[in-house]
Order: sequence, then structure tokens, then C-alpha cells
Amino acid sequence: DSGVTQTPKHLITATGQRVTLRCSPRSGDLSVYWYQQSLDQGLQFLIQYYNGEERAKGNILERFSAQQFPDLHSELNLSSLELGDSALYFCASSVGQEDIQYFGAGTRLSVL
Amino acid sequence: GESVGLHLPTLSVQEGDNSIINCAYSNSASDYFIWYKQESGKGPQFIIDIRSNMDKRQGQRVTVLLNKTVKHLSLQIAATQPGDSAVYFCAENLNFGNEKLTFGTGTRLTIIP
Repeated sequence: DSGVTQTPKHLITATGQRVTLRCSPRSGDLSVYWYQQSLDQGLQFLIQYYNGEERAKGNILERFSAQQFPDLHSELNLSSLELGDSALYFCASSVGQEDIQYFGAGTRLSVL
Repeated sequence: GESVGLHLPTLSVQEGDNSIINCAYSNSASDYFIWYKQESGKGPQFIIDIRSNMDKRQGQRVTVLLNKTVKHLSLQIAATQPGDSAVYFCAENLNFGNEKLTFGTGTRLTIIP
């Protein structure tokens, strides 16, 4: 157990809908990262927050957004969902900005 | 451009033997590399990391080798066990402090009992 908690584990929704994925980092970790894992793209970095502020952005679609709250948990919001958004979404956390990233078990999103 | 790739997508090894998983990277500016293990239904699990000022680092049953001349990274697992069966990813940071990890496509390691 990495100490990173993601909910829900599975999510099934329809095209056009909006969902929110939640991540609780390890105790004491200030950085949170979001990754998308799909069969044809592998693990892709989406976005990073450090102590509530956005610090790095990857290939995150404009339909996707994230935030980190004062208690350091983070949420990834996916809107106007498309079939191609079906994937595993992982959250990772680290103590600071130059530390090993520890991953949660992921949320499996299925868009039908 | 940046890219991280694996030479072998699948690898089968007899239990007790040693295994070597390879990874090539194209960005010579990368200065930090990490190996992750992902078991079915789980998130990536940190195994070992290495900075570009090193060429070898050892952990428990694992060794990472870095050859900057040919931009090659390898993960050696000694005395493999059934629990080593998983997909292994290498990942790179463009520079230590830039937290964006670029992952390779992964190698599936299967340990044959």
C-alpha cells in the first residue's frame, strides 16, 4: 500500500457527462500528480500541484481540470467525456518537488 | 524530441534466474531516471532510481545501470521470484526538479515457475 488513496476505483458513465476523481496523498506529501494510462498511449503526465498551486502541466485537455485543496487532497474533473477518455487515471504524491512519486491504485473510467 | 522506449515488450524468465530489462532514451538532457513496477490492477510501484551523475545503483535484488554514452538504462533483477511478474516501466525527468515524468511503454516480465 503506497499510502495514496484514490476514489472511486471504477467509474462508468456516458459520453458528454462530467466526472470527478479524488486523490488523497500520503500523509505529509505536498505534491500531487495526475497521470492517464491508456492502452495506446501508456502513462501520460497530466498535471502537478504543489501545496495548492499548479506547478507543471502536461498534455492535459482543456476539458480536464484539477485542483488541490487546503487539506492537500486533489480532484481531477473530466467534462464533456468522450469514448477516448476511457482509461486508468492515477494520482501520485511526493513530499516535495524533487522526490520519488508514489502512486495510488488508480480509477478506471469507462465512457460508454 | 523526448522519448523513452523499451527494446523488449515481453520477457519470460525461469524462476531463480536473473532478468534484465532494457530502456532507451533519446534526450541527453535527462538527468534522473526511475524504474517502476506495475502489477495487474495496481498502480506503479517505485523500485529504484538513479541520477545522471551515477552509472550504477543497487537495491535489494535490483540493480540499475545507466550508460549515458548510448543513452541506455537497464534494470537487473536477481534470483527472480513469481512475485516479480509485472510490467516494468522506465521513466525520465528532463531535469531533477522538473517533476514531469516521461514513461516508456513498458515491458511485461513473466516468471516461469
